[in-house]
Amino acid sequence: TQLLEQSPQFLSIQEGENLTVYCNSSSVFSSLQWYRQEPGEGPVLLVTVVTGGEVKKLKRLTFQFGDARKDSSLHITAAQPGDTGLYLCAGGYNFNKFYFGSGTKLNVKP
Amino acid sequence: ETGVTQTPRHLVMGMTNKKSLKCEQHLGHNAMYWYKQSAKKPLELMFVYSLEERVENNSVPSRFSPECPNSSHLFLHLHTLQPEDSALYLCASSLAVGEQFFGPGTRLTVL
Repeated sequence: TQLLEQSPQFLSIQEGENLTVYCNSSSVFSSLQWYRQEPGEGPVLLVTVVTGGEVKKLKRLTFQFGDARKDSSLHITAAQPGDTGLYLCAGGYNFNKFYFGSGTKLNVKP
Repeated sequence: ETGVTQTPRHLVMGMTNKKSLKCEQHLGHNAMYWYKQSAKKPLELMFVYSLEERVENNSVPSRFSPECPNSSHLFLHLHTLQPEDSALYLCASSLAVGEQFFGPGTRLTVL
């Protein structure tokens, strides 16, 4: 059983479209992170959310942490081919209790 | 050089070989991690070192042996691996819980 469930698993869209991916858990986390990973590379940290209900924006990316700190969403506006990659959410409590979701694989077609 | 570096980037080894993966971080972090990433599986945490002491090993087989000589360097010693150990091995470091910075990974193939 996955502690963090991400949906959808795969998403293929046209350039310029909007999209939302989700990260859900039955557990409460002290913080939650979003990462993007490109093929053959390590994940790159995009954002950390800490407070329930928090919303953070990173250019065309909007991240939201649920009020109960159990779930999060990532919304991309006007997707571009450069947004293609594997989006991972991760949450934890301390150094050795840290979990990754299985990811959403996004493909943005020109 | 900045960030987290890993060597080698690619490694092919037989089941009887012994090899080591190296990770180095130049970020002043105090925790380092080894992860395994296989196709169609989420990232699996293998080992965590905090302040150079192993915190958790998550029941990893003994054919994987980590070493953390100081806060900047982390090794993963490999011996008598199996083909199912083929994967991308990622090293990460952090200062705070959660915000991990990853290296580019070592793509390991066991023949």
